[in-house]
Amino acid sequence: DGGITQSPKYLFRKEGQNVTLSCEQNLNHDAMYWYRQDPGQGLRLIYYSQIVNDFQKGDIAEGYSVSREKKESFPLTVTSAQKNPTAFYLCASSILGGEETQYFGPGTRLLVL
Amino acid sequence: AQRVTQPEKLLSVFKGAPVELKCNYSYSGSPELFWYVQYSRQRLQLLLRHISRESIKGFTADLNKGETSFHLKKPFAQEEDSAMYYCALGYGQNFVFGPGTRLSVLP
Repeated sequence: DGGITQSPKYLFRKEGQNVTLSCEQNLNHDAMYWYRQDPGQGLRLIYYSQIVNDFQKGDIAEGYSVSREKKESFPLTVTSAQKNPTAFYLCASSILGGEETQYFGPGTRLLVL
Repeated sequence: AQRVTQPEKLLSVFKGAPVELKCNYSYSGSPELFWYVQYSRQRLQLLLRHISRESIKGFTADLNKGETSFHLKKPFAQEEDSAMYYCALGYGQNFVFGPGTRLSVLP
């Protein structure tokens, strides 16, 4: 499995707390993505980044923030403004954007205490 | 807006029966279409993409631009095909997934 990793596997958030999900890839991919997976809704795009120090909002960016300081890393912060954060979060990367095959991490399940 | 629909949430077939997972998309340009699969306790992974025109694990998918469809087919289902299947559309720098279909192949 290697290539793209996510940590932790499970994460618990208290009310009003910001939490950060890690995503690292050693595939030398330029593009990285964050998705949220909810039962019956498939994957919804939160943020994506085509290049270091640049990122764009996806369909459901409200309550989330990202950074892309290094090509290998694309951490996602779930802020206290995200009112329904309980979900499974998937990180992916691809050589280029959009029309290229995406490679997925194992995911992080976020639960609210 | 670009959209991918998969009308069946759950599809159950018997082993050896043909299977077809439906996917329709809405996009006015030239689409890049993919099928991703998620087996139990495994990460989401690419099954096939239309541009490669490959048959992977016996599955094929043909892009029908007139019907804006990209249905996934296999003539004889196997129990190990049981998984969650997602159809996806890539366009420009963006990507959109369908809601997924859970395929259950019964013995």
